[in-house]
Amino acid sequence: EVHLLESGGGLVQPGGSLRLSCAASGFTFSSYAMSWVRQAPGKGLEWVSTISGSGGSTYYADSVKGRFTISRDISKNTLYLQMNSLRAEDTAAYYCAKDPLSGSYTYYFDYWGQGTLVTVSS
Amino acid sequence: SYELTQPPSVSVSPGQTASITCSGDTLGDKYACWYQQKPGQSPVLVIYQDNKRPSGIPERFSGSNSGNTATLTISGTQAMDEADYYCQAWDSSTAKVIFGGGTKLTVL
Repeated sequence: EVHLLESGGGLVQPGGSLRLSCAASGFTFSSYAMSWVRQAPGKGLEWVSTISGSGGSTYYADSVKGRFTISRDISKNTLYLQMNSLRAEDTAAYYCAKDPLSGSYTYYFDYWGQGTLVTVSS
Repeated sequence: SYELTQPPSVSVSPGQTASITCSGDTLGDKYACWYQQKPGQSPVLVIYQDNKRPSGIPERFSGSNSGNTATLTISGTQAMDEADYYCQAWDSSTAKVIFGGGTKLTVL
């Protein structure tokens, strides 16, 4: 059974940094692209970033490019999101999500984690 | 930048058919998918590649996509279907995943 468990959220001051983790199990982690999607309180879903199965290709939303870095550790079956220069508008629940196609992309998500809340406030 | 537009809300009576639209420039040339999100829960994929249902999704959920509009249809809507629904597509020209703004489905 596929399981995605995010961690690392919390309260951080504007301009600060935070690293989110997503522990994956139940599938061959290195074979599937993974993504981060966020949802501000009471708002809709916003795609943040995607990384290929090998980690060699990454994609970012314009709103986070240059501030966030997605990565993965295949030996630990873990996806990461390093978030720097955080702003109030980055406040959201952050979900990790799995692409359903092994070895490529479909650009949709068949499994989602439960989310971790990031609050950027002084 | 590419945008997907959904109505903020749709209401339906129990047992009736609910249709939720998602509009975008030549959306029919892309694959659309739909997620259901209930309060306090993570999104769940209900339709992918325009009209395919993942395992475990009831047959009353169906989808279509043509021209500039993708549509999620829920036949025989049940109270448990009350949720927020989001459409999503991939914009290959910018290499970005795009979500619609979401539609709150009320069953009353």
